[in-house]
Amino acid sequence: DTGVSQDPRHKITKRGQNVTFRCDPISEHNRLYWYRQTLGQGPEFLTYFQNEAQLEKSRLLSDRFSAERPKGSFSTLEIQRTEQGDSAMYLCASSSAGQAYGYTFGSGTRLTVV
Amino acid sequence: AQRVTQPEKLLSVFKGAPVELKCNYSYSGSPELFWYVQYSRQRLQLLLRHISRESIKGFTADLNKGETSFHLKKPFAQEEDSAMYYCAVVQGAQKLVFGQGTRLTINP
Repeated sequence: DTGVSQDPRHKITKRGQNVTFRCDPISEHNRLYWYRQTLGQGPEFLTYFQNEAQLEKSRLLSDRFSAERPKGSFSTLEIQRTEQGDSAMYLCASSSAGQAYGYTFGSGTRLTVV
Repeated sequence: AQRVTQPEKLLSVFKGAPVELKCNYSYSGSPELFWYVQYSRQRLQLLLRHISRESIKGFTADLNKGETSFHLKKPFAQEEDSAMYYCAVVQGAQKLVFGQGTRLTINP
């Protein structure tokens, strides 16, 4: 499968714990995006990388959230001190410069904070 | 900031009937708009983009700047069209702003 891969598919964690998600984009895509989706809502933008540079962060991304893309390939999204409000589907997408916003999405990581 | 409104959370039509999923946007310039679709147990995928003026799976969408709309239409619905549909607009240089989605159900 040469699509966007996300790991894990599901994560259940206790409130206050830290969690980390991984995204492997399509190899030739230099742009990587993280979105969050809650029940009944469309995806909301969190952050965006071009190669290894994080170029934009949403106000939704509080200090407890951090994202990295160390070598311009895979990316990680870490949430520290999780809260119940963090429960959501976290989506990763990638694109190349020539696709004019034709994102390819991963299957997502569903986070449940109990 | 750009916003996208999909007024119908649920839409149900019979097979063979015409379908129209509504999308309205707020944008001060020339918007770039998209429709994404998510079939059951599948990932979100691009359906069509207004700049391409294409028809995908029988669906078309016309940008109406006067009404700030980008409604998705299909003349004859098929059961396999049942899915979640999201309208999205480009904001800034790179990111997409999505509407809340419309769940389309095609009844046999």
